[in-house]
Amino acid sequence: AQSVTQLGSHVSVSEGALVLLRCNYSSSVPPYLFWYVQYPNQGLQLLLKYTSAATLVKGINGFEAEFKKSETSFHLTKPSAHMSDAAEYFCAVSDLRGNKLVFGAGTILRVKS
Amino acid sequence: GAVVSQHPSRVICKSGTSVKIECRSLDFQATTMFWYRQFPKQSLMLMATSNEGSKATYEQGVEKDKFLINHASLTLSTLTVTSAHPEDSSFYICSARDSSGGAFREQFFGPGTRLTVL
Repeated sequence: AQSVTQLGSHVSVSEGALVLLRCNYSSSVPPYLFWYVQYPNQGLQLLLKYTSAATLVKGINGFEAEFKKSETSFHLTKPSAHMSDAAEYFCAVSDLRGNKLVFGAGTILRVKS
Repeated sequence: GAVVSQHPSRVICKSGTSVKIECRSLDFQATTMFWYRQFPKQSLMLMATSNEGSKATYEQGVEKDKFLINHASLTLSTLTVTSAHPEDSSFYICSARDSSGGAFREQFFGPGTRLTVL
C-alpha cells in the first residue's frame, strides 16, 4: 500500500522568501512521486515528477524537489516566492506503471506581500 | 498537448435527478481514465478506474450503481451520478492516461466539474 503525508496544511511565506512544502511517502514498491498545484475551482496542474532518474527534479515555475529514499521524503522548494504561487499543493505517489495516484491532504500556500 | 476537458464545468440539480459528466482527451488516446472526488478542503480521492471497452473498477466504498461510468471510446468517459442527493455535492475531477509510451504513463487532469445538489 502507498500513502503520502504532507506536513502542514497551511504554509505562509513572504514574497521573495524560500518556499518549502514537506512531503513524506510510504510505499512497498519503488515509488513515482509527483507534485501538483491546484488553483481555486480548477483541476490539477503537474509541477514536477520523480520517475527514478535524477533525484533532484526541476519543474515549472521555478519549483524543484529532491527525492531522498533514506528519509522517504520528496519536499518541494522554490528559492523565491511570488504572489502567483499562492495555491494549494498536492504531493502524490504512484507505482511504476502510473496506476492509482494516491494524494496527500494538500498544503495551502499563502504568499504575503 | 495532453489536454483533458470536462463538461459541464458547473452543474446544479435537484435532489433525485441524474447528472452526467463528460471527460474527453482532446489530443491523445486514453485507454484508461480515472474519476476522482474532492470534498471541500480535502484531497482528491479516487472513485473508479475506467478502461475503454470494459467495466470500470470502483474503489472500496464507492457505489457502482450510483456512480455509473462508461468509457465507450478512447477519448471519452462519462460519469453519471444517479438519483443525486445533497451529500453527492462535490468537485469531480477526471484524468486520462495516454495509451502510447512505455511502462510508465502519466495521468493528465481535467479542470473539474462542480456539482451542487439542492
